[in-house]
This record gives sequence, structure tokens and C-alpha cells, in this order.
Amino acid sequence: DGGITQSPKYLFRKEGQNVTLSCEQNLNHDAMYWYRQDPGQGLRLIYYSQIVNDFQKGDIAEGYSVSREKKESFPLTVTSAQKNPTAFYLCASNVQTGELFFGEGSRLTVL
Amino acid sequence: SQELEQSPQSLIVQEGKNLTINCTSSKTLYGLYWYKQKYGEGLIFLMMLQKGGEEKSHEKITAKLDEKKQQSSLHITASQPSHAGIYLCGADLGGNNRLAFGKGNQVVVIP
Repeated sequence: DGGITQSPKYLFRKEGQNVTLSCEQNLNHDAMYWYRQDPGQGLRLIYYSQIVNDFQKGDIAEGYSVSREKKESFPLTVTSAQKNPTAFYLCASNVQTGELFFGEGSRLTVL
Repeated sequence: SQELEQSPQSLIVQEGKNLTINCTSSKTLYGLYWYKQKYGEGLIFLMMLQKGGEEKSHEKITAKLDEKKQQSSLHITASQPSHAGIYLCGADLGGNNRLAFGKGNQVVVIP
């Protein structure tokens, strides 16, 4: 079945460490997105990519990095520069102006 | 500032009662999406509205996009415990497939 797979579902990290969250889709969607969710904050856009080898910063890109080397994959790296990385991270994809399909999310906790 | 305002932030209704939640933007909405989320899980797509005046229904949930395409409402008829959760509206505010989200409406249904 087609869909979006995020991994890992839960991740613990020590302060000062970088961590990469995986997002893979087999829906043949051109656009992919990363959102961060904190309690009471809704979803905030980190980065998005409309096409392979191209991506744009969202509203809260500082401390994060992404790559889009393949259409199916859009990994997110949370760097040590991100001051408050503990959050729930959601990956999504769509075709232009279409419904966003979401993964199940990755919960990152910094110890 | 929040581009999409959702109101009320939270509401508690008795099972069997109707409820309405709203999503308001200061900009024209090129596409408006309603999702439902259980805390800590991915988002479930409910409906997408694109045309001013458009109204869609699915089971007991009806969503409308006003004529000026700056506000959407979601109405649940005869609410059930299964309707409890966080309702998020998302929208393309610039016509460039960059999707922003509101903070959500938390709905609690009391048996």
C-alpha cells in the first residue's frame, strides 16, 4: 500500500548531538514537508521541497537541515544548534494543491 | 503572528449535541484542509475546500468555505465520543503549495 513512513517513532538524544529523522514516501508525490508540533502550537513548517534537489525554509528552519536527493526521501537533521528540539515531528507529502498525506510522526526527546 | 486562527481553542460538548469550530485567515485561502488528530498520532484527512461557497459533508461532519474564501467552519451533528480529538485546519495562503496550519481546536465529547 502507498503511504509515508517515518522512522524512528521514538528517539532520545543527548544535548549537543545531531539526529536525523527519516521520511520515505511511495506515493510518487513531488512535494514533501516537515512540520514540528508542540502542545498547543499546532503544526509549524520547518522545511519543504517542491521537487528533487530543491527545498525552501519554512517558518522555523533555524537549527534544522534537510536534503532531497531522491523523490521518495526527505530526511530531516536536527542539529545541536536547535535550542529546543524536544517535539513531535511530522512529515507529509502531496501533489500540487492536493491533500497532504502525513506519516505517523517521530517523537524526539532530548535528555 | 498566526496566519490561521482557529476558534474556539477548546470545547467540551455532551454526546448528541452539535458543535461548530472555525478557521479564519486574513489572507485569501487558495485551498483549505481539515484534519483530525489524536494526540501524539498522525493526521487524518477529513475534507478539502477550494471554491468560495463550497460545502462538503462526510457522515456527520460538514465543512464550508465562505464566499470571500477567508473563513471556514466545520460542523459536527449529534456528536459522539469518536469525534473527540484535535481538529486542525491547513491552508495554502500564497497559491504556491506552501501549507500553513492553525493551532487546532481541541474537542472533548462527554458521554
